Amino acid sequence: DAEITQSPRHKITETGRQVTLACHQTWNHNNMFWYRQDLGHGLRLIHYSYGVQDTNKGEVSDGYSVSRSNTEDLPLTLESAASSQTSVYFCASSDLVGTGELFFGEGSRLTVL
Amino acid sequence: QKEVEQNSGPLSVPEGAIASLNCTYSDRGSQSFFWYRQYSGKSPELIMSIYSNGDKEDGRFTAQLNKASQYVSLLIRDSQPSDSATYLCAGLYSGGGADGLTFGKGTHLIIQP
Repeated sequence: DAEITQSPRHKITETGRQVTLACHQTWNHNNMFWYRQDLGHGLRLIHYSYGVQDTNKGEVSDGYSVSRSNTEDLPLTLESAASSQTSVYFCASSDLVGTGELFFGEGSRLTVL
Repeated sequence: QKEVEQNSGPLSVPEGAIASLNCTYSDRGSQSFFWYRQYSGKSPELIMSIYSNGDKEDGRFTAQLNKASQYVSLLIRDSQPSDSATYLCAGLYSGGGADGLTFGKGTHLIIQP
């Protein structure tokens, strides 16, 4: 079955370190997204991609970067982790833009000490 | 600014009753709306979508959209303990980036046995 997987599921890191969260989907979807979810803020979009070599900034992109070298993967990098980036991160993908149907990964819980 | 507002709850409903979840939005340009269900510690999953004024029924779920009042609701009939979750309302804006989805913060629903 097609799926979308994230790794690691849990990570603890220190302030200032670089962290990369992986996202891999086997749906063959062109569109991939990274969200963070925090109490009181709901889901907020970090970065998104509509295809290989395409990346776009979302609502809360400062301190984060992504790259899309193939259809299956959209890794999220925190260049220098900050305590404010402690959150649950969700990767999602979709087939057609504008359908509103996102398929989410299981989430990655990141703690920055 | 495109906003989707939800009461965070918790909304407590006895088993077997009708649970009514509400959502308002600020931008009349929104085309369609979606309800995602998120169990504690899990990722969101799409359960209902509605594209035009009126009601849309799917099993025990009914989505209602009133564009004049900028109001969306989700009714869950014969509520079951397994319906206990956070329900996220999302609006789709034509021409918006990242699939054009704007999420509300979610309503926490508790079904009491």
